[in-house]
Amino acid sequence: KAGVTQTPRYLIKTRGQQVTLSCSPISGHRSVSWYQQTPGQGLQFLFEYFSETQRNKGNFPGRFSGRQFSNSRSEMNVSTLELGDSALYLCASSRTSNEQFFGPGTRLTVL
Amino acid sequence: KQEVTQIPAALSVPEGENLVLNCSFTDSAIYNLQWFRQDPGKGLTSLLLIQSSQREQTSGRLNASLDKSSGRSTLYIAASQPGDSATYLCAASPPRSGAGSYQLTFGKGTKLSVIP
Repeated sequence: KAGVTQTPRYLIKTRGQQVTLSCSPISGHRSVSWYQQTPGQGLQFLFEYFSETQRNKGNFPGRFSGRQFSNSRSEMNVSTLELGDSALYLCASSRTSNEQFFGPGTRLTVL
Repeated sequence: KQEVTQIPAALSVPEGENLVLNCSFTDSAIYNLQWFRQDPGKGLTSLLLIQSSQREQTSGRLNASLDKSSGRSTLYIAASQPGDSATYLCAASPPRSGAGSYQLTFGKGTKLSVIP
């Protein structure tokens, strides 16, 4: 069974640009969560989607948004990038919103 | 607001030693607690999941315990190997009702180095 996949794996952007990250969950998993990981703050919850609906949102500005498609794939968008948005963005999927399985992450660098 | 703490931040042990990693959480009303392993620059690998009604879980050389009343979980690694070197994270999941459901609150992790 294929694991959680995230694309792209690495991304370099400049301040002010926008970026879209993609996550494909494990087959059969309907819950997808997004986390931001930085050396200073550790892992912080961004949002969670289930059956195309955002069920929960973390404490991030409105520049961070997401969506989920009918096939459970999810995208995360960050607009007007800032230097502080440089981080590893991790996606996790879950069948029952219980045990979470993480993808390899997308490393975003903002210059 | 749930807070998860892992002490120590880093640990270095000789190969073959048994070791314990600690995780504490402030709110005992958790749904489950999950332990993960993260290799440098990589994603998280799920190691063990303990439901709130359980006291421990075992997988191979790993054993995780949960004491909700004291707000503590431990990850025991037996006969450590150099391949166990990684950062170990614990994460608490809140109850399935109310605000904040479904989001994991992570500790900052313990970076383990097993010296050959």
